[in-house]
Amino acid sequence: GAVVSQHPSWVICKSGTSVKIECRSLDFQATTMFWYRQFPKQSLMLMATSNEGSKATYEQGVEKDKFLINHASLTLSTLTVTSAHPEDSSFYICSASGGSPETQYFGPGTRLLVL
Amino acid sequence: EDQVTQSPEALRLQEGESSSLNCSYTVSGLRGLFWYRQDPGKGPEFLFTLYSAGEEKEKERLKATLTKKESFLHITAPKPEDSATYLCAVQARSGAGSYQLTFGKGTKLSVIP
Repeated sequence: GAVVSQHPSWVICKSGTSVKIECRSLDFQATTMFWYRQFPKQSLMLMATSNEGSKATYEQGVEKDKFLINHASLTLSTLTVTSAHPEDSSFYICSASGGSPETQYFGPGTRLLVL
Repeated sequence: EDQVTQSPEALRLQEGESSSLNCSYTVSGLRGLFWYRQDPGKGPEFLFTLYSAGEEKEKERLKATLTKKESFLHITAPKPEDSATYLCAVQARSGAGSYQLTFGKGTKLSVIP
């Protein structure tokens, strides 16, 4: 149980384009989903927290207009990186909680490379 | 500000050589301390949640313990497949329903056959 999927697993795009990443909880209803970013040899840094049907709460330093988060249902959240630049290249990981409220279950991650 | 410090940054063990990983934390009211395993290029895999000092949990060769200031992840007779980065994270009693995690930088464990 507690399986979270992400799609795509990796993406390469040109600078200036937008990229959408999907995060799905497959076997439980996720009342809260989290988006993290992880740079090489660094730990996970929380970008934003989203509750189903509400606006996402962004961490300090994360641009709301650049990283658009939608949590339209209890099983799906999306992160759109708008007008991506090379410095946005990173490993993006989502997590979901709901079945066991305190525990976050993580997706496999999406590697983004912006050329 | 919540802080999590893990040590050592990297650890190389011979197969069968037991050891412990440390996670020191400061948090304004601990809701829970979490251990995750992360393989290269993958998302973290949940291992344990500890809620109060004195609590212990075990899973196969892994045993996690918790005090008021730190947690240890003990690895008994490790095997090469235990090689991974082990992440510690704390969850504070901050804001109703937020359940945010603050992660340490991890300990990269390599088990040599």
